[in-house]
Amino acid sequence: SQQGEEDPQALSIQEGENATMNCSYKTSINNLQWYRQNSGRGLVHLILIRSNEREKHSGRLRVTLDTSKKSSSLLITASRAADTASYFCATDRNSGNTPLVFGKGTRLSVIA
Amino acid sequence: GAGVSQTPSNKVTEKGKYVELRCDPISGHTALYWYRQSLGQGPEFLIYFQGTGAADDSGLPNDRFFAVRPEGSVSTLKIQRTERGDSAVYLCASSLQGGQPQHFGDGTRLSIL
Repeated sequence: SQQGEEDPQALSIQEGENATMNCSYKTSINNLQWYRQNSGRGLVHLILIRSNEREKHSGRLRVTLDTSKKSSSLLITASRAADTASYFCATDRNSGNTPLVFGKGTRLSVIA
Repeated sequence: GAGVSQTPSNKVTEKGKYVELRCDPISGHTALYWYRQSLGQGPEFLIYFQGTGAADDSGLPNDRFFAVRPEGSVSTLKIQRTERGDSAVYLCASSLQGGQPQHFGDGTRLSIL
């Protein structure tokens, strides 16, 4: 079963705008990761945020984590057409098992 | 450097046939994962290897699915008596060790006619 749920399912924005995607999950976690997937390709790791962290930055990416609400957000600033892809949040299991549990993803379209 | 390589990239076969999907992880990565992804869905965990042993196979849907990693490097996912519902993209990922970010291959698109 899939633990994470991304919101919205699809997002269409103009180049230069910011894109915000949200993720909710159900059980306790060690960390939460965001991945990106271009059509027909594998997933690419973007950023990992640990359960004791609240915010993390990487280039144009900003991730927040609220463990009390079991939610995370991914913000992409100054979006580019090349950011068009599906974005997934993934959580591990607090028991220490490392297989990831993915949500259904947000399909982001950035229009030039 | 070389990433995770999966072969074949596409596989079309008839219902009832046996298929093998291969994964070459990044050299030195001890952890290897198989996932299955259906259209419009996120990847769904199948099995996780730490070295040569299957550390967690709880995601395998039934006993028609089996995976091996005999030398702790290349892994093969084997599906017996394929059914149309097995059609999906099968993704392999590896990481330096368990708990680290995972590196994915481009997957094998399996179509059962």
